[in-house]
Formats: sequence, C-alpha cells, structure tokens
Amino acid sequence: DAGVIQSPRHEVTEMGQEVTLRCKPISGHNSLFWYRQTMMRGLELLIYFNNNVPIDDSGMPEDRFSAKMPNASFSTLKIQPSEPRDSAVYFCASSLSDTQYFGPGTRLTVL
Amino acid sequence: AQSVTQLGSHVSVSEGALVLLRCNYSSSVPPYLFWYVQYPNQGLQLLLKYTTGATLVKGINGFEAEFKKSETSFHLTKPSAHMSDAAEYFCAVSDDEGRRALTFGSGTRLQVQP
Repeated sequence: DAGVIQSPRHEVTEMGQEVTLRCKPISGHNSLFWYRQTMMRGLELLIYFNNNVPIDDSGMPEDRFSAKMPNASFSTLKIQPSEPRDSAVYFCASSLSDTQYFGPGTRLTVL
Repeated sequence: AQSVTQLGSHVSVSEGALVLLRCNYSSSVPPYLFWYVQYPNQGLQLLLKYTTGATLVKGINGFEAEFKKSETSFHLTKPSAHMSDAAEYFCAVSDDEGRRALTFGSGTRLQVQP
C-alpha cells in the first residue's frame, strides 16, 4: 500500500491567500485525522472524521479553517484567509482500528 | 480529559548505551498508549502500542515499553542505542479503545553520540 498521501509537501503563500491541503487515506480505513505540528504547541488535533462524517472539530482554531471529506478516499483542509501564525506542518492520518498511520505532512509557510 | 507528559525534551546517549525515554499519562478510562518516532522532515511512524493484555510490549527496531498502571507510566527503552535511533520520539494516549484522536506529549529528541 502507498500509505497516506498528502499534497503538496511544501506550500509557501502570502498572508490573506487561500490554502488547500489534500489528503488521501489508506484504502479501507474509515477514520481520518488532521493534526498540526508547531514548535510552540507541539502536535495537536484539528479535526477527525469517521466514515466521512466530522466527529470532533473542537481543535479547529477558528472559522478561517475548514475541512471536508467528500468521500472515503479524499479529504481537504482549507485555510481562508491564511495568516503567518498558521505556518506549521500539517499531518493527515488514517486508521481502521486503534492505530493511526501518518502521512509525510505538508509544511506550510505563510509570509 | 487525557494528557501526556514526557520528561526531558532532549536525551543524549552514547552508541551502545541504554535508551530510556519517559512517558507518564493521565486518563479517566483504560488508556491505549503509543510511541511514535519522527525522523527529520518525515511523518510519524508507529514504534509500538499497548492496548490490552501483556503490559510489556515489543516494537520495531529493538524498542520496548512497559505499561505500569500504578505509576501511570509507559516508558520506552532499548538496551543498546544505534546511531540510526537519533530522532524525535512522541508518546501518545487515546481513549475509547483507540477510536478517538491521539493526545501527544511534547516529544523527546534523542541524540546518539559515537
């Protein structure tokens, strides 16, 4: 299996621009998680889906962040408008039972 | 609510020496516990996990961890460090039999000196 696929791997944008991060989970997995990693806050959950339905979005920082999972094989995390404090590495993970498998991450830099 | 505390943000050992990375957790329900490793510019890779049953769990690359309920600990060990073990290690806890999101510790960066 190819594992969890994320794109792009790196994104540099200017403040105020819209950013869309993409994730393809492992085939057959029914849960998908978005995490953010920063030096200050470490790894923190943003949102997770089960069977394409958002279960817990309490970690989404504010209305500028939105996530969708239109089908079992694709999810997006959108930031609009982006701000410099959004700079971080964003990870997507998927699972079928108790173990989460992580993608390589998207390193986002907002200038 | 759950939480994880990793004592020591940086640990340095000599090649061939014992590796001990500490993790304490807080959980109101029986926890599922995990150790992940992150190499530079990569995602997180599962080292090992405790769900139920045997409290000593063995993982990849010679690592093992012991779940001690009385001490609320899940320390990671390896008898003999290798240069390739240099990385950041994260302890994490999940409830609801692992179906919920993970709560991570702040991470421990392991350096291995030749």
